[in-house]
Amino acid sequence: DADVTQTPRNRITKTGKRIMLECSQTKGHDRMYWYRQDPGLGLRLIYYSFDVKDINKGEISDGYSVSRQAQAKFSLSLESAIPNQTALYFCATSDSVAGAMNEQFFGPGTRLTVL
Amino acid sequence: GNSVTQMEGPVTLSEEAFLTINCTYTATGYPSLFWYVQYPGEGLQLLLKATKADDKGSNKGFEATYRKETTSFHLEKGSVQVSDSAVYFCALSGGNTDKLIFGTGTRLQVFP
Repeated sequence: DADVTQTPRNRITKTGKRIMLECSQTKGHDRMYWYRQDPGLGLRLIYYSFDVKDINKGEISDGYSVSRQAQAKFSLSLESAIPNQTALYFCATSDSVAGAMNEQFFGPGTRLTVL
Repeated sequence: GNSVTQMEGPVTLSEEAFLTINCTYTATGYPSLFWYVQYPGEGLQLLLKATKADDKGSNKGFEATYRKETTSFHLEKGSVQVSDSAVYFCALSGGNTDKLIFGTGTRLQVFP
């Protein structure tokens, strides 16, 4: 079984709809992240959470919100989707244990299309 | 602020050719450096990493050396295979957070 899972894997929606992308992990990590990937732009950080009570904005948080329901679950919401939010979205996790060298583990991605 | 610059792709090579993908960075302090690989239809996987100057990361025949004097972390492989075709991302993290800053990615295409 995959350590970091994302649902759905693909989603097509319309402008103005509310969308939730979910991420679950079985790695026991305390830190979780949401990125979006756009062609030519690499990955950009949307939100990150270092534990259940800690939520932080990344570089492109406008139009997004997150919820850390448990240590293993971190969901990303688009309250009112717009076409320029069409992208590939990745969840990632990392361990805060000293010596972990900041390695992040990624889920398989969710391809979101907003029409 | 911190940033990563990668060479633009695509890089197109024949099987068994030598590969170099350039990566340079700007950072305060002493960041950790990473190469991640993304195979078609998949998420990113860590390929190799280095945490201090002159460290060499290596995995699956790929190598990269942390060069503080040139602020570089170039990825190399002596003989590429078709199965190496993927997008390669250089990244750094620094300070007291795990936040990764990625380059824009370089697509590698290897033909038989």
